[in-house]
Amino acid sequence: GAVVSQHPSWVICKSGTSVKIECRSLDFQATTMFWYRQFPKQSLMLMATSNEGSKATYEQGVEKDKFLINHASLTLSTLTVTSAHPEDSSFYICSARDRGLGETQYFGPGTRLLVL
Amino acid sequence: KQEVTQIPAALSVPEGENLVLNCSFTDSAIYNLQWFRQDPGKGLTSLLLIQSSQREQTSGRLNASLDKSSGRSTLYIAASQPGDSATYLCAASAHQTGANNLFFGTGTRLTVIP
Repeated sequence: GAVVSQHPSWVICKSGTSVKIECRSLDFQATTMFWYRQFPKQSLMLMATSNEGSKATYEQGVEKDKFLINHASLTLSTLTVTSAHPEDSSFYICSARDRGLGETQYFGPGTRLLVL
Repeated sequence: KQEVTQIPAALSVPEGENLVLNCSFTDSAIYNLQWFRQDPGKGLTSLLLIQSSQREQTSGRLNASLDKSSGRSTLYIAASQPGDSATYLCAASAHQTGANNLFFGTGTRLTVIP
């Protein structure tokens, strides 16, 4: 149980385009979802936290207008990287939490983004 | 702000050896501490979670300890196997917001040589 999926698993795009990444909780209701970014040889850094039906809370230094997060249902959150640039190339990982399952975050497999 | 450090950054051991991975954190007011495994290009698999009131957790060949007063946690792997090769991450959660915010270390890349 407690499986989280991400789609796509990898994406290559041209600079200036927008890319949408989906995060789904497959067998539980994710009251809260988290988006992380991991640059090569660096640790995961939390980008934003989103609760279903409300606006996301962004961490300091993360541009909310560039990284659009939507958490419209209890099983789906999307991250849209708008006007992507090469420096946005990274590994994006989402996690989900269901209060009924405790405080544990369940992580998706990640999405590797390469912006040319 | 919580800072999490993991030493060593990389470790190679022969198969069968016991090993210890270290994690230190600057703010002892944590909610819990987790150890994860990350395979290349993959997401995270939770290995062990230690609540702030606990001192250790065990799962199979893995044992994690927590010493809040010194800001340290260790992950002990017994009888290592080639399949244990991966990057191991520890993450401390912020006390004020429960488990909402996980602060990750940079990881220890473990290679178990057959």
